[in-house]
Amino acid sequence: ETGVTQSPTHLIKTRGQQVTLRCSSQSGHNTVSWYQQALGQGPQFIFQYYREEENGRGNFPPRFSGLQFPNYSSELNVNALELDDSALYLCASSSPSVANTDTQYFGPGTRLTVL
Amino acid sequence: AQSVAQPEDQVNVAEGNPLTVKCTYSVSGNPYLFWYVQYPNRGLQFLLKYITGDNLVKGSYGFEAEFNKSQTSFHLKKPSALVSDSALYFCAVRDQYNFNKFYFGSGTKLNVKP
Repeated sequence: ETGVTQSPTHLIKTRGQQVTLRCSSQSGHNTVSWYQQALGQGPQFIFQYYREEENGRGNFPPRFSGLQFPNYSSELNVNALELDDSALYLCASSSPSVANTDTQYFGPGTRLTVL
Repeated sequence: AQSVAQPEDQVNVAEGNPLTVKCTYSVSGNPYLFWYVQYPNRGLQFLLKYITGDNLVKGSYGFEAEFNKSQTSFHLKKPSALVSDSALYFCAVRDQYNFNKFYFGSGTKLNVKP
């Protein structure tokens, strides 16, 4: 098991609501990436945070936003939830090395259901 | 643009037989390739990666992968499958410019039957 934790494990929301998902990175890792994994698909990159700044974003609308805190933990916020936001949300932590070849270590995910 | 393709949605193999899960890639520049495994209701677990060096990469749980530049492939292999290997396997390639952005394939479900 990795040292990456996510909360909550499961969440049920209704369309139009807002949700906050949380991630604690592995010790020593200063970079957190968030992915959305829809049922039957591979994870899709949402965005990444490095030293509290957004550092890269995938093809997701602005209602997907995030934060990273000084202890490198992170939040993913989704506003105005839509049915298609139902997915497993994965957080991955890493620590860029000089060669930038470090592996991403994933948490167990948060299963979001939008009704 | 970077991408990977996993041509098989599902692979079935008998326990004790060798297994192969296929992955092809498309990258500009040097490929940085990864394999992850996902068990039901779990996050992704790292298996192995290819950055440079030997074309045969050894990873966790007896898995290995062969990098083939001419065929742009990075197939995952194991000499003798176990029932406990049954899971969802993802191939991924790292973005050339954003080193923490990974592009994942659609996944291959491996079924190992006793």
